[in-house]
Amino acid sequence: EVQLVQSGAEVKKPGESLKISCQGSGDSFSTHWIGWVRQMPGKGLEWMGIVYPGDSEAKYSPSFEGRVTMSAAKSTTTVYLQWSSLKASDTAMYFCARLKGAYDSRFDFWGQGTLVTVSS
Amino acid sequence: DIQMTQSPSALAASVGDRVTITCRASQSISSWLAWYQQKPGKAPNLLIFKASSLESEVPSRFSGSGSGTEFSLTISSLQPDDFATYYCQQYKSYPLTFGGGTKVEI
Repeated sequence: EVQLVQSGAEVKKPGESLKISCQGSGDSFSTHWIGWVRQMPGKGLEWMGIVYPGDSEAKYSPSFEGRVTMSAAKSTTTVYLQWSSLKASDTAMYFCARLKGAYDSRFDFWGQGTLVTVSS
Repeated sequence: DIQMTQSPSALAASVGDRVTITCRASQSISSWLAWYQQKPGKAPNLLIFKASSLESEVPSRFSGSGSGTEFSLTISSLQPDDFATYYCQQYKSYPLTFGGGTKVEI
């Protein structure tokens, strides 16, 4: 069975950098795109982008391009989401999720979420 | 970008009720629509894909219909475990977009 396990909650100050992770299990991890989804407190789901673990190719939502970087480490079946300079508005729960297929962009497996709190 | 609009944003219902949630796309997405259920503090869970196909192990009381720009999710007989927030998502084109969510409460 596919499992996505995300890193733990983070508390950061504005301006700090952060890298959170999502480790996958299962033989097919490196052949499926992994997406990141933001959920701000009390709000809905927002698609941030996707990254391909096989070669770290990434595609970003225009709303998040330039603000975050997605990457992957194929050897450890882990994908990452990072910020170079956090803002208070980055406070949210972040989910990773697997895309079903290359041309089938529904999310069939999800990580448990990583809560990021940015506060001075 | 394709905008997804859900209605209602919240509804009150009772166990045993038939519940229908609507999702409208700003342009045709054919049948490239998924529905998710999310409970507080948990990750979303895929219920329906390709507008009307039931994901594995999802109870048959959930059903989806529609194509083009108008879609609906129906719960035929609401169970206590179904009180949650439901989201639609189009996957016709990038950027992928979600509806604003519908909270189903008692």
